[in-house]
Amino acid sequence: GESVGLHLPTLSVQEGDNSIINCAYSNSASDYFIWYKQESGKGPQFIIDIRSNMDKRQGQRVTVLLNKTVKHLSLQIAATQPGDSAVYFCAESPYNTDKLIFGTGTRLQVFP
Amino acid sequence: NAGVMQNPRHLVRRRGQEARLRCSPMKGHSHVYWYRQLPEEGLKFMVYLQKENIIDESGMPKERFSAEFPKEGPSILRIQQVVRGDSAAYFCASLPGLRDEQYFGPGTRLTVT
Repeated sequence: GESVGLHLPTLSVQEGDNSIINCAYSNSASDYFIWYKQESGKGPQFIIDIRSNMDKRQGQRVTVLLNKTVKHLSLQIAATQPGDSAVYFCAESPYNTDKLIFGTGTRLQVFP
Repeated sequence: NAGVMQNPRHLVRRRGQEARLRCSPMKGHSHVYWYRQLPEEGLKFMVYLQKENIIDESGMPKERFSAEFPKEGPSILRIQQVVRGDSAAYFCASLPGLRDEQYFGPGTRLTVT
């Protein structure tokens, strides 16, 4: 069946360090991938996306890497800040639909 | 431009009652998705609607759940005869067109007692 999974449920990093959050997906038909940040009591907030014709995309302090060979997605956050503390979800969208399939999430904790 | 609005933010219902959750998409957005989130889990797709049309309801339970997105007014997710297992956060997302970024609302947290 379709599934998107994460390797680490909780990631603790020190402020200023870089964070890497990983995600595995299983649907070969997915061609659009998104990372969302969700703070407690709020809805998911878009961070960055990538389409399957790319393997890397950079935003402000964030980079998403896509490895289609092993169906792996990662989110890198540079110089992690306390405000980055949240649960991060990867999501995939199969070709020609907008339906998002979410992973279970990784909680990022940033310590001073 | 106001974001996606959802109300109520918190809803408490006794078993057997009905729950109505409302979602007002962003201005200019004609596509709405509903998702359900259990604690410590990711969001699960429920239904995709365009104005006056249900496009994909493959994630909706066959009974007790229904959704609509009328020509005028918000999208409504309706749960009849609620049970404790319906307790969850329900999020809607809107987007202007196909394959665009989805903008999420703040969610409605439903508690069934």
